[in-house]
Amino acid sequence: GQNIDQPTEMTATEGAIVQINCTYQTSGFNGLFWYQQHAGEAPTFLSYNVLDGLEEKGRFSSFLSRSKGYSYLLLKELQMKDSASYLCAVGFSGGYNKLIFGAGTRLAVHP
Amino acid sequence: DSGVTQTPKHLITATGQRVTLRCSPRSGDLSVYWYQQSLDQGLQFLIQYYNGEERAKGNILERFSAQQFPDLHSELNLSSLELGDSALYFCASSVLSGALQETQYFGPGTRLLVL
Repeated sequence: GQNIDQPTEMTATEGAIVQINCTYQTSGFNGLFWYQQHAGEAPTFLSYNVLDGLEEKGRFSSFLSRSKGYSYLLLKELQMKDSASYLCAVGFSGGYNKLIFGAGTRLAVHP
Repeated sequence: DSGVTQTPKHLITATGQRVTLRCSPRSGDLSVYWYQQSLDQGLQFLIQYYNGEERAKGNILERFSAQQFPDLHSELNLSSLELGDSALYFCASSVLSGALQETQYFGPGTRLLVL
């Protein structure tokens, strides 16, 4: 089966750096996605990792280790607008682009 | 704005009723995915269509059904509604060109409240 774990909640201070971890157990791994979701709104795509290593995109970076079944999303220079849920999602080969989502990590950024 | 549209934005109905949610994918996208998100729950994959044909099924109840039309818009039908069906229903789309994995782009969702 598939299992995706991420912390339920995190808090951080404006201007700081926060790392949101995601661990997964699955077969036929086809890459890992991070989405941001503000309350009551649509998830929006942040990043996709299929190879090991770090992908950097502005203030956001995402890391993947396939051998460890581990990923993290790093948010730098936190802003109040970064308060949202961050969803880790795993893609499966042969699954017609199917994604399985973790429960999400709710991040609260305080002044 | 992802380019995926969903109607209606909000829907309030009673137990036992039937509703239809509508989704139009991004221009050029052939595949549509439906998800359910209950309060404080993760996104649960329901069903996927590609160019009019069902491609994958997830945790979709027998009371729920979907279809994709020749113009590629999709409808999710929910019948014999129960209180527990109250949730946000999202539609997502992708090209499904055969690439290793494609990003799914989400619509704004339909918030369903069953009273």
